[in-house]
Amino acid sequence: AQTVTQSQPEMSVQEAETVTLSCTYDTSESDYYLFWYKQPPSRQMILVIRQEAYKQQNATENRFSVNFQKAAKSFSLKISDSQLGDAAMYFCAYSGGGADGLTFGKGTHLIIQP
Amino acid sequence: NAGVTQTPKFRILKIGQSMTLQCTQDMNHNYMYWYRQDPGMGLKLIYYSVGAGITDKGEVPNGYNVSRSTTEDFPLRLELAAPSQTSVYFCASSYARPQVTSTDTQYFGPGTRLTVL
Repeated sequence: AQTVTQSQPEMSVQEAETVTLSCTYDTSESDYYLFWYKQPPSRQMILVIRQEAYKQQNATENRFSVNFQKAAKSFSLKISDSQLGDAAMYFCAYSGGGADGLTFGKGTHLIIQP
Repeated sequence: NAGVTQTPKFRILKIGQSMTLQCTQDMNHNYMYWYRQDPGMGLKLIYYSVGAGITDKGEVPNGYNVSRSTTEDFPLRLELAAPSQTSVYFCASSYARPQVTSTDTQYFGPGTRLTVL
């Protein structure tokens, strides 16, 4: 079974600075998909960014970018110019494709210091 | 589009009671999912469905049942509520292209907070 590990239960960053959240995963598949979801206090799960394993180029979405290291099975999220609205739980998730759902890590609580 | 909607938002049950959590999506997605999120944890898959009339178990199916009679609706049934089922429940949906091994992004509902006392 696939596993997703987020080793940082909590991270803190000053507003306007850059922070990187770590995620590692374990799989025997060669094709798969990785996601970062944001969960603010409202509980809503919001997609931040998505990466297809067959793509070598790292995904970016405005201030959010990933560092995808396939051989190392690492998928970190970088948030640039941190804003107060970025404060939330961040979950890394894996999908092997098809219908078998997402496997989530335990999450990282991101605190933004004003 | 309303996206994925869930009712109720909150519910308190007594041990042994039954209830159905409702989930509806208006995006014409073929795949639908139920997850639960326990405190301090990520989401875990309970059941999923690839289309009307087809459902399958996820990682933590015990104590739950599902049905999928239409593309839009995917209710989750708790038959005999137990304190271990106290959790936040999320429904999600996605679109998978036929005959293509891929996965599209899952869109989540707002969640139902269930407490069993």
